[in-house]
Amino acid sequence: RKEVEQDPGPFNVPEGATVAFNCTYSNSASQSFFWYRQDCRKEPKLLMSVYSSGNEDGRFTAQLNRASQYISLLIRDSKLSDSATYLCVAGAGSYQLTFGKGTKLSVIP
Amino acid sequence: NAGVMQNPRHLVRRRGQEARLRCSPMKGHSHVYWYRQLPEEGLKFMVYLQKENIIDESGMPKERFSAEFPKEGPSILRIQQVVRGDSAAYFCASSPLVTGGSGANVLTFGAGSRLTVL
Repeated sequence: RKEVEQDPGPFNVPEGATVAFNCTYSNSASQSFFWYRQDCRKEPKLLMSVYSSGNEDGRFTAQLNRASQYISLLIRDSKLSDSATYLCVAGAGSYQLTFGKGTKLSVIP
Repeated sequence: NAGVMQNPRHLVRRRGQEARLRCSPMKGHSHVYWYRQLPEEGLKFMVYLQKENIIDESGMPKERFSAEFPKEGPSILRIQQVVRGDSAAYFCASSPLVTGGSGANVLTFGAGSRLTVL
C-alpha cells in the first residue's frame, strides 16, 4: 500500500519560532514531491515543490532524502498567518499524487 | 482569472438520494481530478478525466459512484443512493496538458463540495 506518513501534531509554536515538519513516503517509485497548505475547511493550496537538491522560498525550506524516503519542511520566523495544516505529497507518474493526512500548525501570539 | 469552480459548495442529501457535484477547470486546463477527504483523513484520489475520457478511475468505489467530463460543460461526479459514509468534502482539481517526463502535474484545487448525508 502506498502511503505518506506525517506526524498529525498539533504543533503549537510562538510567533517568530522555527518549526520543522517531516514526512516519509513508502512508494519508492515516487518522483515528485510537494508541500501543500490547507486552511480549516478550505481547499489545499500548493506551498512549494520539493527538489532533490533542496529548495528555499522565503521563510520556507524543503528538503528531500530519497535514500531514506523522507521529506521535510522548515518554517523560519513563524507568523500567525502560517497557522494551517501542512500536507506532504508524493507523486508517481504525471498525476498519481498520494497525500499525507497533514500536520497541524498553530502559531500563537 | 477564475480558478477551479465547484458547485454546490454545500449539499445535504438523505440516505438513498442522489448527489451531483460539478466542477469547471481553470481556463486552459484540460485535465480534471476528483479527490475525496473524509473527516480527519487525507485526500484520496478518486478519478482522473480528460474531455470525454476517463483516464484512471482506480480510486472510485465500484458501486454508486460515476464521473464524466463531457465535451461541453463541467465535469460531474455522481453518487447514487448516498449513504452516511459518503459524507465528505469532494475536491476537484485541474492541471494543464501533461507535458511528459517523470514529474507530476501541479494541481490547482477548487474550494470543494461538502456533502452531508442525513
